[in-house]
Amino acid sequence: KNEVEQSPQNLTAQEGEFITINCSYSVGISALHWLQQHPGGGIVSLFMLSSGKKKHGRLIATINIQEKHSSLHITASHPRDSAVYICAVWDDYKLSFGAGTTVTVRA
Amino acid sequence: DAGITQSPRHKVTETGTPVTLRCHQTENHRYMYWYRQDPGHGLRLIHYSYGVKDTDKGEVSDGYSVSRSKTEDFLLTLESATSSQTSVYFCASRTSGKGRNTIYFGEGSWLTVV
Repeated sequence: KNEVEQSPQNLTAQEGEFITINCSYSVGISALHWLQQHPGGGIVSLFMLSSGKKKHGRLIATINIQEKHSSLHITASHPRDSAVYICAVWDDYKLSFGAGTTVTVRA
Repeated sequence: DAGITQSPRHKVTETGTPVTLRCHQTENHRYMYWYRQDPGHGLRLIHYSYGVKDTDKGEVSDGYSVSRSKTEDFLLTLESATSSQTSVYFCASRTSGKGRNTIYFGEGSWLTVV
């Protein structure tokens, strides 16, 4: 089973601050997802990465396959970014999930 | 967004009663999954399907069964609900191909067993 570790577990930021969430995994993978879940809400895949870097609006995701590490960055954070962010990796045909990072952005 | 819906969205049931949750997708995705999400445990795989009538167990399958008679529908059944099965249940689907495909989640089903 692929172990997926996320840090930090919780994060509080002021509006406008730069936020970084980290994810490490234990074995080789073919792809990694960053998922977002708002309180009481569904789960949405923000990015799927197999190498390099992807950007969508204020969100940037990077992955280093050799180091088995990925980061999710939120630039110019906003209260609507408050959510749980979950790292997940494909382990054969199944996803292994991190425990999630709860992000709170204060106005 | 992929068309994936769950029903019911909220249910309260009594201990010992059977419960069936339905997941319906309109994208012709081959793979479908049922997860439960609990505080302190995150998302855990209950069962998954890799085609019609092809299913397999996940890490927390005890007390649950599944069926997939059509590509678009994946049913999760709690044969005799227990309080430990109070949880939020998420269905997901993705296309075939090993590991590189985006996964789509349903909006969740909140189940309370009293």
